[in-house]
Amino acid sequence: DQQVKQNSPSLSVQEGRISILNCDYTNSMFDYFLWYKKYPAEGPTFLISISSIKDKNEDGRFTVFLNKSAKHLSLHIVPSQPGDSAVYFCAASEGGSNYKLTFGKGTLLTVNP
Amino acid sequence: DAGVIQSPRHEVTEMGQEVTLRCKPISGHDYLFWYRQTMMRGLELLIYFNNNVPIDDSGMPEDRFSAKMPNASFSTLKIQPSEPRDSAVYFCASSFPAGGPAQETQYFGPGTRLLVL
Repeated sequence: DQQVKQNSPSLSVQEGRISILNCDYTNSMFDYFLWYKKYPAEGPTFLISISSIKDKNEDGRFTVFLNKSAKHLSLHIVPSQPGDSAVYFCAASEGGSNYKLTFGKGTLLTVNP
Repeated sequence: DAGVIQSPRHEVTEMGQEVTLRCKPISGHDYLFWYRQTMMRGLELLIYFNNNVPIDDSGMPEDRFSAKMPNASFSTLKIQPSEPRDSAVYFCASSFPAGGPAQETQYFGPGTRLLVL
């Protein structure tokens, strides 16, 4: 039973355009969401996060949007750069004293020059 | 800071052998997590520790898997006996103390790629 779903295994965009990566969740107890980026042969690295009390968080070219009623979040990358090519994982936590992160299976983003 | 350190980076072993994976968390982090990544199941949490004490091991697949954290700077994940279906990439991660900055942001090591023949 996947509680965090990334339904697109891959996404290809042109350099300079917007990349939109989507994530859906089923557990209504999740209240903190994170995006991680992973390059081959490396561990995931933290990218950006959002608390359930917000609907948007921005950090440079990266913006995460949260729609709690739809149990959906998305990561926007504008403008996309070839160095952004990686696997992106969505993760969620129930917060409080629960430090478990539940991950989606990831989306491979390819940014073409 | 050197980040989370894992060893070995690659391990090839034969079915039935014991495998020990090692992890050194970031200094000052008191949460440590072990994950396994496979194509079928993605990235799944196996166990996590707080202040060297196991808090949740519900993700450990079976008794063949065990994890220890004898001190704040070292943890092991052991598989005995190993089976081909244990082949995966195993990641260790650590995070800040509760109430500290970005407490739910976990910092991952580079992983150990395990192949059981």
